[in-house]
Amino acid sequence: GQQVMQIPQYQHVQEGEDFTTYCNSSTTLSNIQWYKQRPGGHPVFLIQLVKSGEVKKQKRLTFQFGEAKKNSSLHITATQTTDVGTYFCAGESSGGSNYKLTFGKGTLLTVNP
Amino acid sequence: DGGITQSPKYLFRKEGQNVTLSCEQNLNHDAMYWYRQDPGQGLRLIYYSQIVNDFQKGDIAEGYSVSREKKESFPLTVTSAQKNPTAFYLCASDRTGFGGYTFGSGTRLTVV
Repeated sequence: GQQVMQIPQYQHVQEGEDFTTYCNSSTTLSNIQWYKQRPGGHPVFLIQLVKSGEVKKQKRLTFQFGEAKKNSSLHITATQTTDVGTYFCAGESSGGSNYKLTFGKGTLLTVNP
Repeated sequence: DGGITQSPKYLFRKEGQNVTLSCEQNLNHDAMYWYRQDPGQGLRLIYYSQIVNDFQKGDIAEGYSVSREKKESFPLTVTSAQKNPTAFYLCASDRTGFGGYTFGSGTRLTVV
């Protein structure tokens, strides 16, 4: 079945440093979504990427979707303590009528003030 | 405000008992999902439903059952057949084809 791998599993940074998490799928995706889960909270939808090579920005967050639509990344510039949490990618396979997402295991980001 | 309500937030049960977790949404979303989250394991799909009176097994359906009698409601029963039921359970919904799940705040189930 479809697998979505995410690295690194953990990342600790000093406030102000940049952060990147990477996501790779074993199959071609129709779209990829990113979620953030604060400690003790629930996942919150951040963004969806659909097009090959797509790049989207949300303030200090930059999301990319690979040309082959099998990988994606999330980059945070100048991290802040409010960025703390686990970032998940989730991919939806191409083709068929299967709408379910497959989630990566997430990257836990901690920020030292 | 529209959203998904999961109740209760914390649930304790004795081993061998069935327990039902509630999930209600007022977003008029077609599809609903149940995920299980364990530390370091990400989110694993238990069951999902795209329309009323229809649902499909996810990746880890064994020991669980669901129903979808109303569009707004998708309760999950954790049966005594589930070998490791202690986990954080998350319900989600979306408008099929529009992307982006809305999650409930979750139910933390502990079986002793």
